[in-house]
Amino acid sequence: NAGVMQNPRHLVRRRGQEARLRCSPMKGHSHVYWYRQLPEEGLKFMVYLQKENIIDESGMPKERFSAEFPKEGPSILRIQQVVRGDSAAYFCASSPSPSGSTDTQYFGPGTRLTVL
Amino acid sequence: AQKITQTQPGMFVQEKEAVTLDCTYDTSDPSYGLFWYKQPSSGEMIFLIYQGSYDQQNATEGRYSLNFQKARKSANLVISASQLGDSAMYFCAMQTGTYKYIFGTGTRLKVLA
Repeated sequence: NAGVMQNPRHLVRRRGQEARLRCSPMKGHSHVYWYRQLPEEGLKFMVYLQKENIIDESGMPKERFSAEFPKEGPSILRIQQVVRGDSAAYFCASSPSPSGSTDTQYFGPGTRLTVL
Repeated sequence: AQKITQTQPGMFVQEKEAVTLDCTYDTSDPSYGLFWYKQPSSGEMIFLIYQGSYDQQNATEGRYSLNFQKARKSANLVISASQLGDSAMYFCAMQTGTYKYIFGTGTRLKVLA
């Protein structure tokens, strides 16, 4: 049973370039969440998606960041015109249903983005 | 406001001893879940244990147990018989009614041989 998969594990970009992070949820899970972890901090919620729908993007910066979860294929977190402050670990999690207070979210290994 | 507080930035424990990692939370929602995750140096987030607000008994998973004191709003993680492989960052998280997890700032645990 494959867990949540994220790629790449490490990504280096120069300022102004685009970063594209991919997440494949666990088999049977149709709900995906993205979190960001800045150095020496806890994870912060960014966005919640179901297939072809963004349910909640309240934690995502208004500019340069976008996310999608198409009918086929992985969820993508896209960061345009990256800046040094975007350097962080980006984690994807999945759950089988709208995660209420009894559902566990399972996390991927994260993508570590470094902006030079 | 909903908040998770982990007041111990770092902890040391001798191998084979027990250690308690502190976590307090703040929410006015009567229904919530509390989670602990381990983050080793490799960076992945590993789910350890879950406690629901209505659960009568403290959760246990192998060497991990959660000391849930509802009146004090605390959900401390107890690791028994520490092993060198337990050295990692540990995060407490809360989920209240929605899907969002709120994480604490973490505690870095170092197990000494």
